Amino acid sequence: SFELTQPPSASVSPGQTASITCSGDRLERKFVCWYQQKPGQTPVVVIYQDKNRPSGIPERFSGSNSGNTATLTISGTQAMDEADYFCQAWDGNSPVFGGGTKLTVL
Amino acid sequence: DVQLVQSGAEVKKAGQSLTISCQGSGYSFTTTWVGWVRQMPGKGLEWMGIIYPDDSDTRYNPSFQGQVAMSADRSINTVYLHWSSLKASDTAIYFCARRDASGSYLDYWGQGTLVTVSS
Repeated sequence: SFELTQPPSASVSPGQTASITCSGDRLERKFVCWYQQKPGQTPVVVIYQDKNRPSGIPERFSGSNSGNTATLTISGTQAMDEADYFCQAWDGNSPVFGGGTKLTVL
Repeated sequence: DVQLVQSGAEVKKAGQSLTISCQGSGYSFTTTWVGWVRQMPGKGLEWMGIIYPDDSDTRYNPSFQGQVAMSADRSINTVYLHWSSLKASDTAIYFCARRDASGSYLDYWGQGTLVTVSS
């Protein structure tokens, strides 16, 4: 079965660039999206179709997808970006989620 | 505005049945796929299945097939998630979420329903 793998945690200093990876077999053949979830809140999509930002999502969020790895990049990370981040792709008619990465802004 | 509003928190005992709901508004509810996602305490997101309210076409994650049942009432723009016999391991937050028009992500989410099952 198709699986997505993320590092369980990542850390970044305020103002620096955070990168979170998501790996899966031939992932570049699928569209990847990324959800941000803060404690006690509902997931919010921050990137869809590999690199597109929904309206209202800051420009510091960007995405890419190549080979077996998709990457979420947060430039100029702010304290408010501390959250869990989940990647997701579709396997047929079913979405598959990565295990999530807890981003800490130190 | 697009909204998905879920029913409130539930506290049940193992072996009891339960149905939770998700009502959509602000868009063409019947012709948009709606899925259910489980989040166990302190864990990640798990896909349970998806339903097309117009004809109740349902696709289950094999891991949840037979464990839950999804249904829809198009007359009141509502989808349901049902357990016939709860287990303590069903304790989790359950989200409904709309599949966007392009089919590539879940663009609107309900607020989540916390289900607590005691043994």
